[in-house]
Amino acid sequence: EAQVTQNPRYLITVTGKKLTVTCSQNMNHEYMSWYRQDPGLGLRQIYYSMNVEVTDKGDVPEGYKVSRKEKRNFPLILESPSPNQTSLYFCASSLSPDSKKLFFGSGTQLSVL
Amino acid sequence: SQQGEEDPQALSIQEGENATMNCSYKTSINNLQWYRQNSGRGLVHLILIRSNEREKHSGRLRVTLDTSKKSSSLLITASRAADTASYFCATVDDFGNEKLTFGTGTRLTIIP
Repeated sequence: EAQVTQNPRYLITVTGKKLTVTCSQNMNHEYMSWYRQDPGLGLRQIYYSMNVEVTDKGDVPEGYKVSRKEKRNFPLILESPSPNQTSLYFCASSLSPDSKKLFFGSGTQLSVL
Repeated sequence: SQQGEEDPQALSIQEGENATMNCSYKTSINNLQWYRQNSGRGLVHLILIRSNEREKHSGRLRVTLDTSKKSSSLLITASRAADTASYFCATVDDFGNEKLTFGTGTRLTIIP
């Protein structure tokens, strides 16, 4: 089944403890992206990747890192999480960087205490 | 920054009625897309309309695009309880970076 898989689904952590949210897609998509969703603010793009080894900042990249060593994987790294990074995170991928028809993962609800 | 602004923010209708949601945006676009999100879940792509198209249909969905007014509407006909969800418009801009930007969404509730 074609899908974008995110893990974990829920994560509670403490300030400063490094964490990684994994994202994997099995559709051979070139484009991948991370979003955070907060009430009243909609979805905001954190980072995106047009292809392997190519990543770029989105609208809210501060405090996050990403890597794209393989086409299928696009992990999101929070080196030193802070409470303002408590949010619902989504990974998404698209076959074509042009059309941006996105397939979304199920989301990761992160709470930073 | 927000490109799309949906209107209304929330909408409640009786099952069987039609639901209309609107999206306004600010800049020149390559295409506009509509997504559905069930509570707390990932977004699901519904329909994409390109800047040179004016209307598009998919099942019970009808999308219109008016580039002169920088607006789009999503019509869901003969609504069902399963249509209860949040609906987001998203625009891909026409500035060469093809950035996809989401609006803040319309929360649709279908009353059985």
